[in-house]
Amino acid sequence: NAGVTQTPKFQVLKTGQSMTLQCAQDMNHNSMYWYRQDPGMGLRLIYYSASEGTTDKGEVPNGYNVSRLNKREFSLRLESAAPSQTSVYFCASSLTGFANIQYFGAGTRLSVL
Amino acid sequence: QKEVEQNSGPLSVPEGAIASLNCTYSDRGSQSFFWYRQYSGKSPELIMSIYSNGDKEDGRFTAQLNKASQYVSLLIRDSQPSDSATYLCAVRGEKKSSGDKLTFGTGTRLAVRP
Repeated sequence: NAGVTQTPKFQVLKTGQSMTLQCAQDMNHNSMYWYRQDPGMGLRLIYYSASEGTTDKGEVPNGYNVSRLNKREFSLRLESAAPSQTSVYFCASSLTGFANIQYFGAGTRLSVL
Repeated sequence: QKEVEQNSGPLSVPEGAIASLNCTYSDRGSQSFFWYRQYSGKSPELIMSIYSNGDKEDGRFTAQLNKASQYVSLLIRDSQPSDSATYLCAVRGEKKSSGDKLTFGTGTRLAVRP
């Protein structure tokens, strides 16, 4: 049981390049989330998906797009990377409801030069 | 005012002592509260969840919730060097529009001295 799997683990981009971060979960969870974590800022929600076919903006959505491909997969796309997007990105998933517990992937460390 | 506030630390305690980590939140209607542990360079992992006022114990960990004071805490008894990590407080809000989103504090770094 892999839980939440993120790829790639590390990535270096040049300003203006695009890339997609992949996330897949095998826990049959309805909800999936993308966060970024920066020093001193904690975890900030970029986008989330409450169910297949739906996505909503979080706290810091600018510069990102997402796709909920199916129940298992939720991808995050940077269309034109900027140095301000240098961060650690975490994907998480949870069941829906009052006591939802979010389970996190291992993270993607992204540097934009 | 931040929605979820934690002292960034570091909180330094000797091995075997009790570590007390605190968190306050602004949404009075919040229903669900979580403590995650994050080792350096790793992802957050759930330590405790608590949903009603009072204490909840799991091994060396005790979560305490006081909704009237909008305060949640985590006690770690018999602290071990392996407990050295950043502890994140997370809160699920009341509003239906917030769905299952959690709001995280910035975390408290705990250092347990051998």
